[in-house]
Amino acid sequence: GDSVTQMEGPVTLSEEAFLTINCTYTATGYPSLFWYVQYPGEGLQLLLKATKADDKGSNKGFEATYRKETTSFHLEKGSVQVSDSAVYFCALGYSNSGYALNFGKGTSLLVTP
Amino acid sequence: EAGVTQFPSHSVIEKGQTVTLRCDPISGHDNLYWYRRVMGKEIKFLLHFVKESKQDESGMPNNRFLAERTGGTYSTLKVQPAELEDSGVYFCASSQGALGSGNTIYFGEGSWLTVV
Repeated sequence: GDSVTQMEGPVTLSEEAFLTINCTYTATGYPSLFWYVQYPGEGLQLLLKATKADDKGSNKGFEATYRKETTSFHLEKGSVQVSDSAVYFCALGYSNSGYALNFGKGTSLLVTP
Repeated sequence: EAGVTQFPSHSVIEKGQTVTLRCDPISGHDNLYWYRRVMGKEIKFLLHFVKESKQDESGMPNNRFLAERTGGTYSTLKVQPAELEDSGVYFCASSQGALGSGNTIYFGEGSWLTVV
């Protein structure tokens, strides 16, 4: 079946450091890929998405490219801020079944001043 | 505009007791979803409502879990009787349309359940 694997956390970075959170997937079809973020005390929020191979999703300085050849969707940001501290979830879903998102375990990010 | 709201935010109950979690979706959202994250595991899909109808409940773990959405507005998820392995965070989400139509799924903050 389909699955998503994320790098284990927690990840601790200094402010302005470069961020990469790895995400790889296994899929039987051609899914859309997502990154969700959960800030402390808040619900999950969609950060960015990509719906087909080679698409790049971007938002708030974060980027991720849908790589079919490596089955990856790594999240990157060039310069993190303290306010980026949160838990990040990679997920996949299909356009014809919009409800059953498959999530990774989540990666906790702590950015220190 | 109010987001997806869940109640209670935290609940601690004894094994064998009953707990009912409530979710109020964003007004006008026909689609309502329940997900669960057991500690250290992935967030798992439980079920999906379209208005008051269960579109898919294939993720419900067993018959101790009962979800309802009377009138197509708010939803409840009842666990009866609760077991230790039910501990985790229960997320509710809603969307106006399905994912494929470009709509976004909005999540609540989650209800933390601890069974002791």
